[in-house]
Amino acid sequence: EDQVTQSPEALRLQEGESSSLNCSYTVSGLRGLFWYRQDPGKGPEFLFTLYSAGEEKEKERLKATLTKKESFLHITAPKPEDSATYLCAPHSPEDNNDMRFGAGTRLTVKP
Amino acid sequence: NAGVTQTPKFQVLKTGQSMTLQCAQDMNHEYMSWYRQDPGMGLRLIHYSVGAGITDQGEVPNGYNVSRSTTEDFPLRLLSAAPSQTSVYFCASSYAGQTDTGELFFGEGSRLTVL
Repeated sequence: EDQVTQSPEALRLQEGESSSLNCSYTVSGLRGLFWYRQDPGKGPEFLFTLYSAGEEKEKERLKATLTKKESFLHITAPKPEDSATYLCAPHSPEDNNDMRFGAGTRLTVKP
Repeated sequence: NAGVTQTPKFQVLKTGQSMTLQCAQDMNHEYMSWYRQDPGMGLRLIHYSVGAGITDQGEVPNGYNVSRSTTEDFPLRLLSAAPSQTSVYFCASSYAGQTDTGELFFGEGSRLTVL
């Protein structure tokens, strides 16, 4: 069965302290790997789609990378407004119209 | 442009009661779906629809019904609520099947408690 594991579960950073979030997955025939941001009490908001190993996408202080078994969300010089839960979701053809979301990493950035 | 609108935002039910969670989108999206989110678990797909008149089951469909009579609306019905259905429910929509880009537009959620 396809598995999605995000680590760490929670991460506390000081403003400006760069770090990375991990999403490891076991799906056969990855069609795409999606990243979302979720603020407390809100619905997830789409960030990136990665399609193949070696691909990278950037948005402001965030950069997502993809390998055959993992994806990383790198956060460079984070600000307090980057505090949120970050969700990843790999998608395979076997899932049809479903995508398997990880439980997320809750990021807190202190000023 | 409101996007995806869910009502109610909060609801408390007693075991055995029925209710409908409403979802409406104004983006003319063909694809709509319902997820539930529980602590420590990822979002899990309940039901989805690829267009008006078409619905299908997701990962956790038991205890829930849906219908899609219009492009805009996709209500989720709980016929006989159980405490295991206590959760936060999200409605989402997309231009096409989420297999294309993964870009789902989510509502703000409906928090349901079943006593």
